[in-house]
Amino acid sequence: QKEVEQNSGPLSVPEGAIASLNCTYSDRGSQSFFWYRQYSGKSPELIMSIYSNGDKEDGRFTAQLNKASQYVSLLIRDSQPSDSATYLCAVNDYGGATNKLIFGTGTLLAVQP
Amino acid sequence: KAGVTQTPRYLIKTRGQQVTLSCSPISGHRSVSWYQQTPGQGLQFLFEYFSETQRNKGNFPGRFSGRQFSNSRSEMNVSTLELGDSALYLCASSLAAREASYEQYFGPGTRLTVT
Repeated sequence: QKEVEQNSGPLSVPEGAIASLNCTYSDRGSQSFFWYRQYSGKSPELIMSIYSNGDKEDGRFTAQLNKASQYVSLLIRDSQPSDSATYLCAVNDYGGATNKLIFGTGTLLAVQP
Repeated sequence: KAGVTQTPRYLIKTRGQQVTLSCSPISGHRSVSWYQQTPGQGLQFLFEYFSETQRNKGNFPGRFSGRQFSNSRSEMNVSTLELGDSALYLCASSLAAREASYEQYFGPGTRLTVT
């Protein structure tokens, strides 16, 4: 059973700080990794995708991938109260021709003003 | 470009009934996936359709079924509803079968309540 693990939190950070969210996955063959943000009562919103080892930056967000250690992380710089949400890590279960995402349970981030 | 749309947004059904949910993907997207989200189980994959063919199915009973039309719109059906089927049902679309295009974009979801 392929799994994606996240700390459920809540992770509380002060406004302006860096929030660090982590995720580990069980399938060493996984190739595609995604971070989604989900506000309470809303659907998940894709914020980052990463496919290669290393860092990928997009504005205040940086995704980091380490395939050897099987972990993915998301850094949010200059955290704002509007960043308060649940962050979902997802891994594509790409086995041939399929488009199935396996999700972690999500980390609740609370940014304190 | 318009996003993924789902109808209806809210549904209340009673046990034993059946329900059909609809999803229209982003224009040009050929893959549609369905997920169930509950507080206890999180987001669980139901099935994926690509060019009118079901490519993969999650670990759900046969009461859950779906289909995709030639215009990529998709429907899912749940028959003989149970209380445990109460959930947010999410549809996600993606461009095609190449790795970099596996990014999935979710619709607003259909909130199903079974009483």
